[in-house]
Amino acid sequence: KQEVTQIPAALSVPEGENLVLNCSFTDSAIYNLQWFRQDPGKGLTSLLLIQSSQREQTSGRLNASLDKSSGRSTLYIAASQPGDSATYLCAGGTGANSKLTFGKGITLSVRP
Amino acid sequence: IAGITQAPTSQILAAGRRMTLRCTQDMRHNAMYWYRQDLGLGLRLIHYSNTAGTTGKGEVPDGYSVSRANTDDFPLTLASAVPSQTSVYFCASIPVGQAESPLHFGNGTRLTVT
Repeated sequence: KQEVTQIPAALSVPEGENLVLNCSFTDSAIYNLQWFRQDPGKGLTSLLLIQSSQREQTSGRLNASLDKSSGRSTLYIAASQPGDSATYLCAGGTGANSKLTFGKGITLSVRP
Repeated sequence: IAGITQAPTSQILAAGRRMTLRCTQDMRHNAMYWYRQDLGLGLRLIHYSNTAGTTGKGEVPDGYSVSRANTDDFPLTLASAVPSQTSVYFCASIPVGQAESPLHFGNGTRLTVT
């Protein structure tokens, strides 16, 4: 059974800082790794998806990497802004029909 | 706009009452899921359906039932609500077998059982 861990649970940084959010998983036979953003009281919005054959994906100021051998994924946010404040969740599954297992998320606060 | 619609957005329910949370998607996705999100516990899978006519149990299925009569709809029923079912419920969908397709979520139903 896939287990996904995100540490720390919360992070506060000043505006403009580059930062890395970590995600670890236990089963290296991962189908894909997804990063989501959740704003308070809202649903989850997909940010980036890395397929098992890929090493990283980029979208704007966001870059996500996947290292299956070490069981780790990182979400890099460049030049953070107050609007980036949200909870970031990673999730992984081990097959095309598998159910995603979610980490508990990292609540990010970017201070102006 | 294509996506997932959940209803109601919030509900206060007396313990022992029956409640159905509705979920409809217009993306023709094969697979649909119900998650509950609780502080400190994260998102946990309740039930899922890989295609119309089939359903399966997730991590926390007790007290819940689902049906999948067609591709678009995936209702979640609480037969006799209990306070521990107070949570935020999210419906999600994905096209099966497409590794490049992310999971899509609805905006959730906030349920309080008193």
